[in-house]
Amino acid sequence: NAGVTQTPKFQVLKTGQSMTLQCAQDMNHNSMYWYRQDPGMGLRLIYYSASEGTTDKGEVPNGYNVSRLNKREFSLRLESAAPSQTSVYFCASTPGGHWDTEAFFGQGTRLTVV
Amino acid sequence: EDQVTQSPEALRLQEGESSSLNCSYTVSGLRGLFWYRQDPGKGPEFLFTLYSAGEEKEKERLKATLTKKESFLHITAPKPEDSATYLCAVQAGGGADGLTFGKGTHLIIQP
Repeated sequence: NAGVTQTPKFQVLKTGQSMTLQCAQDMNHNSMYWYRQDPGMGLRLIYYSASEGTTDKGEVPNGYNVSRLNKREFSLRLESAAPSQTSVYFCASTPGGHWDTEAFFGQGTRLTVV
Repeated sequence: EDQVTQSPEALRLQEGESSSLNCSYTVSGLRGLFWYRQDPGKGPEFLFTLYSAGEEKEKERLKATLTKKESFLHITAPKPEDSATYLCAVQAGGGADGLTFGKGTHLIIQP
């Protein structure tokens, strides 16, 4: 089933631990994004990558790093997790910033930091 | 700073009872306004894109409209399967090509 695949789906971390959230798309899209969704806050952009080899900060980048490994994969790393990073993380991809019928979101990673 | 405000936060309707969801926005140079549907435990799913004031789009029981300051999502004779959170988002004209989202309207349709 073509689309955006995120792993893992669920994760519990202790404060200070590190982890990497993985995202892969098989639609040959140039642009990929990481959002977080918190109750009462809506979706907020963490980082995005307009093309392979480039990454840029979004609205809430502090505490995160990203890697655009190749055209298919865009990972999000938490170096030292904090309870404030408890959230649902969504990866999305678009064919060059065109957010219409060809843009897709993954199913999300639910992260709890205790 | 781009801003998107959705109202109401939650709405409970009886099956067949039509209503509208509101999305007001401020953005520097609108490239597009988007409506998404999100079901529990899933990622947002694209519904509509509107590009200019006066534009309207329809899909089944849903109709989206756009003015220079706000957008409405009209739901006509809703069914229980229309229950979901509806998200509004804008894409600005310059800078990042990501979307700025509102907080969403949680819609419940009771049989």
